[in-house]
Amino acid sequence: DADVTQTPRNRITKTGKRIMLECSQTKGHDRMYWYRQDPGLGLRLIYYSFDVKDINKGEISDGYSVSRQAQAKFSLSLESAIPNQTALYFCATSEGTRNTEAFFGQGTRLTVV
Amino acid sequence: TQLLEQSPQFLSIQEGENLTVYCNSSSVFSSLQWYRQEPGEGPVLLVTVVTGGEVKKLKRLTFQFGDARKDSSLHITAAQPGDTGLYLCAGRINNAGNMLTFGGGTRLMVKP
Repeated sequence: DADVTQTPRNRITKTGKRIMLECSQTKGHDRMYWYRQDPGLGLRLIYYSFDVKDINKGEISDGYSVSRQAQAKFSLSLESAIPNQTALYFCATSEGTRNTEAFFGQGTRLTVV
Repeated sequence: TQLLEQSPQFLSIQEGENLTVYCNSSSVFSSLQWYRQEPGEGPVLLVTVVTGGEVKKLKRLTFQFGDARKDSSLHITAAQPGDTGLYLCAGRINNAGNMLTFGGGTRLMVKP
């Protein structure tokens, strides 16, 4: 089983719908992240969490919200999806040490029509 | 504009050729990482460099961190079709959170 698991892997939704992307990890890491990937733009940080009670906005948080239900679970919600939120979304985890490696899930491909 | 600029954005070469990918910034990074991503998968770490001027080798891949810790390069010798993928550089700046910032990526295709 993957260390970082994202569900669903693919999703097509309509404009205005609410959608939740889920992430769970078995790495035992405190830090979890949600990134968005668009062609030519690399990965951009949406939200991050350093522990269950700590949630922080990233570079592009507008239109998104998150919930850290447990150390192992971090979900991303789009309250009212719009077409320019069509992208590949990645969840990642890391330890709290400097220069640590980030471990990524396999991604969720979201299409908003 | 992105904090980390990668070039080239796309690269298509024949098997056996050499190539270099560049990652440049005007900011100083405490460390820089290179990740490789294959279709349908998340990025996977290749290397972390932390000291200005540092050079690390991973088989046919050579990574260098600039002396001023503002830039990095990835050189692949005798590229193989298995090297095909998206290469991403990512840097950490010494501020609150020490977050990773990614470059736009270089999509490499190595043809047999």
